[in-house]
Amino acid sequence: KNEVEQSPQNLTAQEGEFITINCSYSVGISALHWLQQHPGGGIVSLFMLSSGKKKHGRLIATINIQEKHSSLHITASHPRDSAVYICAVSGTYKYIFGTGTRLKVLA
Amino acid sequence: DTAVSQTPKYLVTQMGNDKSIKCEQNLGHDTMYWYKQDSKKFLKIMFSYNNKELIINETVPNRFSPKSPDKAHLNLHINSLELGDSAVYFCASSQVQGDNEQFFGPGTRLTVL
Repeated sequence: KNEVEQSPQNLTAQEGEFITINCSYSVGISALHWLQQHPGGGIVSLFMLSSGKKKHGRLIATINIQEKHSSLHITASHPRDSAVYICAVSGTYKYIFGTGTRLKVLA
Repeated sequence: DTAVSQTPKYLVTQMGNDKSIKCEQNLGHDTMYWYKQDSKKFLKIMFSYNNKELIINETVPNRFSPKSPDKAHLNLHINSLELGDSAVYFCASSQVQGDNEQFFGPGTRLTVL
């Protein structure tokens, strides 16, 4: 079992839908990161959080440290949100990545 | 303007060869990383350097040797390339080690024939 699990692995949504991607981890961490990998391959850091909730535009990330769980929400999804979303956890001298969620938003 | 740059973008080579991938960041960050992304798109950290000092050295073959001439550069040298080394290699940097946003390079797609 991976130390960082994401669900779903694949997700297809219609434009405008509210999307949730989940991440659970089994190790102690200092922070959790959400990354976006574009179809062209580039990777962008979306959020880094260690507690609570962060919002950036249509993206919202939450984390529950006690439950070792984080969610990434996309409101009013758009085809340009189509990408792979990767959850990663960091701690002292370690970074562990989830296997990613491939999102496709249809027009 | 590029924050984290890697060269080359594509690298095709024969088994047994030695190759290097270069990485440079102009963000003034102290920490740099090398990641490997396999064919299933799974990312795994290989190395982390903080101020030219090796911090993280995951279980990678010793054919892989990182070199940091200064804190703006972290190069990856690979000896005796094998088919299984084919992957996309990403360089990244962050302001300090640990819990900081990382900035990724565009990746180098290595194909070993």
